[in-house]
Amino acid sequence: VDLVESGGDLIQPGGSLRLSCAASGFNFTTYSMSWVRQAPGKGLEWVSSISGGRATIYYADSVKGRFTISRDNAKNSLYLQMSSLRAEDTAVYYCTRDLGYTSSWYWFDPWGQGTLVTVSS
Amino acid sequence: DIQMTQSPSSLSASVGDRVTITCRASQSISRYLNWYQQKPGKAPKLLIYAASSLQSGVPSRFSGAGSGTDFTLTISSLQPEDFATYYCQQSHKTPPTFGQGTRLEIK
Repeated sequence: VDLVESGGDLIQPGGSLRLSCAASGFNFTTYSMSWVRQAPGKGLEWVSSISGGRATIYYADSVKGRFTISRDNAKNSLYLQMSSLRAEDTAVYYCTRDLGYTSSWYWFDPWGQGTLVTVSS
Repeated sequence: DIQMTQSPSSLSASVGDRVTITCRASQSISRYLNWYQQKPGKAPKLLIYAASSLQSGVPSRFSGAGSGTDFTLTISSLQPEDFATYYCQQSHKTPPTFGQGTRLEIK
């Protein structure tokens, strides 16, 4: 099981960026997937989740209306389209699989290595 | 949102020590509580899920306990590779939320 993120970059405030996560080693279609971020020197913050069939999507209030999560099950790939970026969006963004039994009983495993997004002029 | 509060925020201990980290939820989360370990520059790693279930491959010196609002992560005999930051996370309600982390340092 492996998750590999890409797309992180230095971007100016107000700009847009698309992160990708390539999944392998498991039946991607059957799992919800999430993005979790970590600002430099700070803790972990959940960003967004999407169900396997794309029917259910959630966002953190801090990114709602600015970020869009999506997935291409044919390509075993997860995406995060980020727009109207702010300095406070600067973080390492991790892709992770939601593993568990129900919408209330799950955990994040595994995690990708992360991709760094820096929002600065 | 459910707030998760860990204590202590940092902890100094020696190899061989027994250490316990506490995580408290702002409301009952049953046993929907997970623990992760993160080393500098690395992604978090799942240690414990559903409050007390040990993830495959994780050494048995790690254990979790609790239900409702109060949870603990215990390392029975610290090893050099255990010095890291530990996070709890609840999945009971969306958004899933993490504790602020406990940094475990070598004394």
